[in-house]
Amino acid sequence: QSALTQPPSVSGSPGQSVTISCTGTSSDVGSYNRVSWYQQPPGTAPKLMIYEVSNRPSGVPDRFSGSKSGNTASLTISGLQAEDEADYYCSSYTSSSTPVVFGGGTKLTVL
Amino acid sequence: QVQLQESGPGLVKPSQTLSLTCTVSGGSISSGGYYWSWIRQHPGKGLEWIGYIYYSGSTYYNPSLKSRVTISVDTSKNQFSLKLSSVTAADTAVYYCARESEMIVFTWGQGTLVTVSS
Repeated sequence: QSALTQPPSVSGSPGQSVTISCTGTSSDVGSYNRVSWYQQPPGTAPKLMIYEVSNRPSGVPDRFSGSKSGNTASLTISGLQAEDEADYYCSSYTSSSTPVVFGGGTKLTVL
Repeated sequence: QVQLQESGPGLVKPSQTLSLTCTVSGGSISSGGYYWSWIRQHPGKGLEWIGYIYYSGSTYYNPSLKSRVTISVDTSKNQFSLKLSSVTAADTAVYYCARESEMIVFTWGQGTLVTVSS
């Protein structure tokens, strides 16, 4: 069981927007702005898409955005494209014994 | 641009020690500012943070693996390594080396599958 809770799957049609949630606790998401999102297409390594809740690394399209409210962080992908189909993982700094926790991952299907 | 590449045996026998090395190119481990990590992903599952090392040699391990994990660094070769002892089938996974800062993984290696089987 992962420390952060994500929906197993989400889907959307090209051009639409989808939002993936990541729910933690007051020991992680709720207390720190060190939430990151990673994209992992099948058979490849994860890639950083969002860090510190809402910052995009250079090269990541602005179609990807992040936010946080209370113990829940969210990744929104607007203007869905076929190439966005992948697994998405959130992570957060945590005050527990392990400094970082991951979500269980969400499979995004572009219909 | 910093790149990381894992290397090591893809098959390890139960009870033996898993050993992997990560070679860093395009930047120096000794430059500071980043931690050098190992993360694994069980087949079809999520990500599990194993631990990290700073170029100075200071380490931090996942408590659930701490008794079996050793991460070391060789700055002269620009490499860092993972040793996981007393492996079982539950340690079968894709192992990634990574570069992180403030618990943000900025750069990942391509990953290497390690299977534990006799």
